[in-house]
Amino acid sequence: DTAVSQTPKYLVTQMGNDKSIKCEQNLGHDTMYWYKQDSKKFLKIMFSYNNKELIINETVPNRFSPKSPDKAHLNLHINSLELGDSAVYFCASSQDLVEQFFGPGTRLTVL
Amino acid sequence: DQQVKQNSPSLSVQEGRISILNCDYTNSMFDYFLWYKKYPAEGPTFLISISSIKDKNEDGRFTVFLNKSAKHLSLHIVPSQPGDSAVYFCAATDTGTASKLTFGTGTRLQVTL
Repeated sequence: DTAVSQTPKYLVTQMGNDKSIKCEQNLGHDTMYWYKQDSKKFLKIMFSYNNKELIINETVPNRFSPKSPDKAHLNLHINSLELGDSAVYFCASSQDLVEQFFGPGTRLTVL
Repeated sequence: DQQVKQNSPSLSVQEGRISILNCDYTNSMFDYFLWYKKYPAEGPTFLISISSIKDKNEDGRFTVFLNKSAKHLSLHIVPSQPGDSAVYFCAATDTGTASKLTFGTGTRLQVTL
């Protein structure tokens, strides 16, 4: 009965590859988010979707493409991976647009 | 341009004593503030929040204080327990705009026996 789940938990891949991270929430929330935590531990928002509609896009390279097939899912696809994409990616969801519930994170390592 | 700052990367406190974690912000549009707690290999979990119309909010052992004129907030944990050892993130948002949380870089709290 995990509230916000992400798969995979770890992802190791070569530069130039394309990869996806999946996120699902069973809280019935309308809004979902992707955050990136870099090597300096800085947690920064990337995208936000409300009822499958993009509401926040924080000048993320267009190699990153979020997709929300329904309001319970927000997947993140990354094309042409670069070394600088190595980070921990957190998915989150929210109903009141303030308090957010986070998934366990996906540690992406680009070699 | 870091709008939310936690200047102490780490803090060590003895069990039973008070832990005080500090956070400063620069954006005067922020009107809601939250503290999240994070254990290794887990996502952040919500701890406590405060609206800018208040200067204090208390929940059990946790109290958050807000000083708007100084653009400063602090989280007090009393008494501190070993299970409180984690990274604490301060976050802020402007509730009038899109629901974006701006996080600080976190303070690692170690509660020793």
